[in-house]
Amino acid sequence: SQQGEEDPQALSIQEGENATMNCSYKTSINNLQWYRQNSGRGLVHLILIRSNEREKHSGRLRVTLDTSKKSSSLLITASRAADTASYFCATDDNYGQNFVFGPGTRLSVLP
Amino acid sequence: NAGVTQTPKFQVLKTGQSMTLQCAQDMNHNSMYWYRQDPGMGLRLIYYSASEGTTDKGEVPNGYNVSRLNKREFSLRLESAAPSQTSVYFCASSDLRANTGELFFGEGSRLTVL
Repeated sequence: SQQGEEDPQALSIQEGENATMNCSYKTSINNLQWYRQNSGRGLVHLILIRSNEREKHSGRLRVTLDTSKKSSSLLITASRAADTASYFCATDDNYGQNFVFGPGTRLSVLP
Repeated sequence: NAGVTQTPKFQVLKTGQSMTLQCAQDMNHNSMYWYRQDPGMGLRLIYYSASEGTTDKGEVPNGYNVSRLNKREFSLRLESAAPSQTSVYFCASSDLRANTGELFFGEGSRLTVL
């Protein structure tokens, strides 16, 4: 069964707008990661947030983690057409050896 | 740096045929993984190898076998392919000792079973 579930499944915005994607998970985690996948390519790591962290920034990316609600959000500010991709959250298992992915959010940024 | 390299990139099989997907990483990572990706399902773990000489089942291991040939290479074998195994397969590696948890992915192998 999937640990993470992203919401929404698909998101379409205009260039320059902010994009927010959410991830919910079911069991306790050590860390949560966000990945990006361009069409027809492999996944690329964006950012990792640990269970004892609440917020993390990397360039135009802002990730929050609420362990009490078992949820995380990924905010992309000032989006660009090049941000068009699928975004996945991944959580580790209790042993920290496996990574479980959600079904992803398909983001379309229109020029 | 090549990172994670998968071969082949595309393959068409008939039901019942066998094949092996090859994966190699040049980052000296201990852990390697095989995932499959199906529309609307995200990535599901087939098998993983926490270190050279060890392999463990993931969420969807049925119909697959793996071999961790050495630290660099982790292969996935389909002994008797079925249409349900039509998917995109991704190999990944990670250095869990670094405690970053980041997975590095290959570009994927697109398999169609007729």
